Amino acid sequence: AQSVSQHNHHVILSEAASLELGCNYSYGGTVNLFWYVQYPGQHLQLLLKYFSGDPLVKGIKGFEAEFIKSKFSFNLRKPSVQWSDTAEYFCAVRGAILTGGGNKLTFGTGTQLKVEL
Amino acid sequence: DAGVIQSPRHEVTEMGQEVTLRCKPISGHDYLFWYRQTMMRGLELLIYFNNNVPIDDSGMPEDRFSAKMPNASFSTLKIQPSEPRDSAVYFCASILTGPQETQYFGPGTRLLVL
Repeated sequence: AQSVSQHNHHVILSEAASLELGCNYSYGGTVNLFWYVQYPGQHLQLLLKYFSGDPLVKGIKGFEAEFIKSKFSFNLRKPSVQWSDTAEYFCAVRGAILTGGGNKLTFGTGTQLKVEL
Repeated sequence: DAGVIQSPRHEVTEMGQEVTLRCKPISGHDYLFWYRQTMMRGLELLIYFNNNVPIDDSGMPEDRFSAKMPNASFSTLKIQPSEPRDSAVYFCASILTGPQETQYFGPGTRLLVL
């Protein structure tokens, strides 16, 4: 069974600080990896995704993530956060379709990010 | 495109009542997911469909929960009878798979069972 672990449940940063949110997954085959953002009171939005190729993926709003296969990790980064980045961030994994993983997305528990002015 | 449409946006009901949540996915998308979000349990996958066919309903908590997708443009999630522990935000997500996969989540239905 696949699983996702997000180590930091709450992160508080000052504006302009750099951000790195950890995500580790467990799955025996080829995976697709995702990061989502959920602003207060809103629905989930896809930030970025990794399917294959360059392990450094760039997404919207200046976010990027690096897939490190040997570490089963897909950490989210942003060089300089803004107050408007205050939100909850979810990492998700699914088995790649071609390897029979179906299309079942499994989410981590989320990391609540608060950016202070 | 208006995106994924869910109705109602808010529902308050009494324990024992039937609740029906509705989702209209984005036209042409091939997967539809139902998720539930609570503070205690986070995001839980309840069931998902591929081309209107239920693929995995192992996340449906009990027989009180059922979901249907009679056609490509409509899905329902029904709880009968409802219980206070069913209180949560229920999200529907619509996905078009492929190299340029797109995913959209609906705004959610906030359910409160008294």
